[in-house]
Amino acid sequence: DAKTTQPNSMESNEEEPVHLPCNHSTISGTDYIHWYRQLPSQGPEYVIHGLTSNVNNRMASLAIAEDRKSSTLILHRATLRDAAVYYCILRGSQGNLIFGKGTKLSVKP
Amino acid sequence: DGGITQSPKYLFRKEGQNVTLSCEQNLNHDAMYWYRQDPGQGLRLIYYSQIVNDFQKGDIAEGYSVSREKKESFPLTVTSAQKNPTAFYLCASSIIPTGYNSPLHFGNGTRLTVT
Repeated sequence: DAKTTQPNSMESNEEEPVHLPCNHSTISGTDYIHWYRQLPSQGPEYVIHGLTSNVNNRMASLAIAEDRKSSTLILHRATLRDAAVYYCILRGSQGNLIFGKGTKLSVKP
Repeated sequence: DGGITQSPKYLFRKEGQNVTLSCEQNLNHDAMYWYRQDPGQGLRLIYYSQIVNDFQKGDIAEGYSVSREKKESFPLTVTSAQKNPTAFYLCASSIIPTGYNSPLHFGNGTRLTVT
């Protein structure tokens, strides 16, 4: 399964946009890009996913590079409740998800 | 409300004892998964099941066993053969077993401590 690379940590100010990057240079044509986030002592929460086109939902936007080798999760206005570990994952033919260490996002008031 | 229920939230056992973690879902999902998470690490797949009475080993299945007798239930047994059982255990489900675009729904986990 293809791997992803994310920064270990990022900081943001409250009410400012946050761009969380993810590199996946070995992505295959059928791999979907999924994003999850996890609060301490809780299970991961689905955020968004996409294949080729940019995607928007009520939680976030996902921008996918034209060559699909990278993507960016965009939180349009960070709140304190958005502080979490964000995982970028490729979901391929096996159906299960392979989680890396993710990016720990801190939000300052 | 539909969701995944894991119980108990905290579990304590003595070394050498088997322990079973419960996972129940009322989402009518076909696929269910067990993950393990160690401090500061990502999740690692233990077992998964795509249909009743069938399951496959994940990356770290040694020392664990599962059963899938009912669609809504996927219990995980941590046996005494598991060398480092203390961890946070997460159960998940999805609507389509091999659907690349179906998200996973997670429970809130069971924190197992073995002393």
